[in-house]
Amino acid sequence: EAGVAQSPRYKIIEKRQSVAFWCNPISGHATLYWYQQILGQGPKLLIQFQNNGVVDDSQLPKDRFSAERLKGVDSTLKIQPAKLEDSAVYLCASSAMTGVNTEAFFGQGTRLTVV
Amino acid sequence: GQSLEQPSEVTAVEGAIVQINCTYQTSGFYGLSWYQQHDGGAPTFLSYNALDGLEETGRFSSFLSRSDSYGYLLLQELQMKDSASYFCAVRDNYGQNFVFGPGTRLSVLP
Repeated sequence: EAGVAQSPRYKIIEKRQSVAFWCNPISGHATLYWYQQILGQGPKLLIQFQNNGVVDDSQLPKDRFSAERLKGVDSTLKIQPAKLEDSAVYLCASSAMTGVNTEAFFGQGTRLTVV
Repeated sequence: GQSLEQPSEVTAVEGAIVQINCTYQTSGFYGLSWYQQHDGGAPTFLSYNALDGLEETGRFSSFLSRSDSYGYLLLQELQMKDSASYFCAVRDNYGQNFVFGPGTRLSVLP
């Protein structure tokens, strides 16, 4: 079974530029999460999709971050414009369903450096 | 709201046993999970407790006390490859979202 795929693995941009990350979840997984992980901290949930609908985006900085999951499969996360404090690893995860005992599978993440 | 607390660092030697504690405060509780993350890697699932008691999976065990809002991960027969960060996580928002703790960095010494 293929895992969660993310690209790119690394990205360096200047502040005020735009950047986009892509995620392909495990086939058949209805739930998709985007997390931000700053070095030395735990992952922080940005947005959760159930199929192509948003379940929770309460911690997504909507003035600069946006995400979509067209057709309920792949997802993209965009930052526009980027700030220095956005430097982090952006992790995508998926699970088979929204259930209280459902394991989340993570991708390798995209390491973003804003200079 | 929700918050989780873990020790920031733990050090132990090969072959030893180590316990990583997690306390949590959540508006709703639907179970405690544990994830392992090696440097530069993705978090990987280790265990899940929904009910009080001990769950054992090989060298790793996880414990939950719902009345104390407390759990721990027990790692036995430590190996060098166990050096990693360990995160507890709870489901919040009526069981929908995973909320992660700050993580405990485990260093296993020879």
